[in-house]
Amino acid sequence: QKEVEQDPGPLSVPEGAIVSLNCTYSNSAFQYFMWYRQYSRKGPELLMYTYSSGNKEDGRFTAQVDKSSKYISLFIRDSQPSDSATYLCATHGSGNTGKLIFGQGTTLQVKP
Amino acid sequence: EAGVTQFPSHSVIEKGQTVTLRCDPISGHDNLYWYRRVMGKEIKFLLHFVKESKQDESGMPNNRFLAERTGGTYSTLKVQPAELEDSGVYFCASNGGRAYNSPLHFGNGTRLTVT
Repeated sequence: QKEVEQDPGPLSVPEGAIVSLNCTYSNSAFQYFMWYRQYSRKGPELLMYTYSSGNKEDGRFTAQVDKSSKYISLFIRDSQPSDSATYLCATHGSGNTGKLIFGQGTTLQVKP
Repeated sequence: EAGVTQFPSHSVIEKGQTVTLRCDPISGHDNLYWYRRVMGKEIKFLLHFVKESKQDESGMPNNRFLAERTGGTYSTLKVQPAELEDSGVYFCASNGGRAYNSPLHFGNGTRLTVT
């Protein structure tokens, strides 16, 4: 079983739609969770950084962590064609280490 | 502030040859990481430097891979001899402060193709 599972998609939505991206993780000791966005031929770019359970909002993006079900989500409101990218969930894992454990990434296409 | 820079952006080599990848972290970042993504798989950790010291090299695939960070500034990752399965995108990342609660900043990667 992978430590972080993410449906690779692809996911295609019309412009303006609400997008829901999800990951599950295996270890309840994981604490820090991140969402990265990666455009083609570019490196991952940090979108959201959360600690433990709850919601965090930044503009059109909301990150949600549910530790009871080991489930993390990223919601994108009013999606735009410029949001078309691969979205990666990641966690620092259980130790005090900088090592990140990534999901496989979900490819999102927002059609105008 | 300049971001994490990697060189070259793309390298094509034959099996058995040697390739050296370079990473320049964000100035002042003590933590430097190497990651790799092979086709169809998730990005995976290779190793972590704190300044010039290897903090964690648990992700290095085998002894054909050698990473260095002389002087605690830029880092190199050498693959010698390269094998077909080494093809993929190699990312470098850096962060400052405590490694585990500071977000990582990634470079654009080096796309390595071994033929």
